[in-house]
Amino acid sequence: QVQLQESGPGLQKPSETLSLTCTVSGDSINGGRYYWGWIRQSPGKGLEWIGSFSYTGSSHYSPSLESRVTISVDTSNNQFSLKLTSVTAADTAVYYCARHRFGFDPWGQGTLVTVSS
Amino acid sequence: QSVLTQPPSVSGAPGQRVTISCTGNNYNIGAGYDVHWYQRLPGTAPRLLIFGYTNRPSGVPDRFSGSKSGTSASLVITGLQPDDEADYYCQSYDSKLSHNVVFGGGTRLTVL
Repeated sequence: QVQLQESGPGLQKPSETLSLTCTVSGDSINGGRYYWGWIRQSPGKGLEWIGSFSYTGSSHYSPSLESRVTISVDTSNNQFSLKLTSVTAADTAVYYCARHRFGFDPWGQGTLVTVSS
Repeated sequence: QSVLTQPPSVSGAPGQRVTISCTGNNYNIGAGYDVHWYQRLPGTAPRLLIFGYTNRPSGVPDRFSGSKSGTSASLVITGLQPDDEADYYCQSYDSKLSHNVVFGGGTRLTVL
């Protein structure tokens, strides 16, 4: 059974860099069959795709976040990470990691990140 | 403003049938990209409900079904149950956005 688990600080100050890690179990992120991505949901809003990568080499980011986002991979620990620079209150959200090919499935449980001074 | 448009809310009584629409354009749904649907129960992560317009992952009841027509897709729930009360999201891809992922704004289903 494939499981994903997000981890990282729950509180960020404005202008800082948000860093989250997704640890995958039950599948190998360098297997090349899937994309692995990040999605977020701000309070009272819908789902927003942040970006995804495939270990075969292709990466895609949301145009609205592309200038601030980096997704990187740590195959030795079967993890991938999200970095979002220059955060503001608008980046307060529950952040999810998920595997996808034919839809996002499965999802991690999500982690709340609050941006506040 | 979401690329895919969903009604903010729908409601129905137990046992009834409800339809949730997802309207796009010729750069996403109309271009032939797959549409997937997700259910987000309160306090939980989203769950894949329908993939590739009409396919159900194992474990999803056949009360949930999906369809496509032109630049729109629909999720139909029959035999509505109280546990179906949740937020539902459609998702596709968009060629004007470099084939990237797009979500609908979500629809809150209330079971009366």
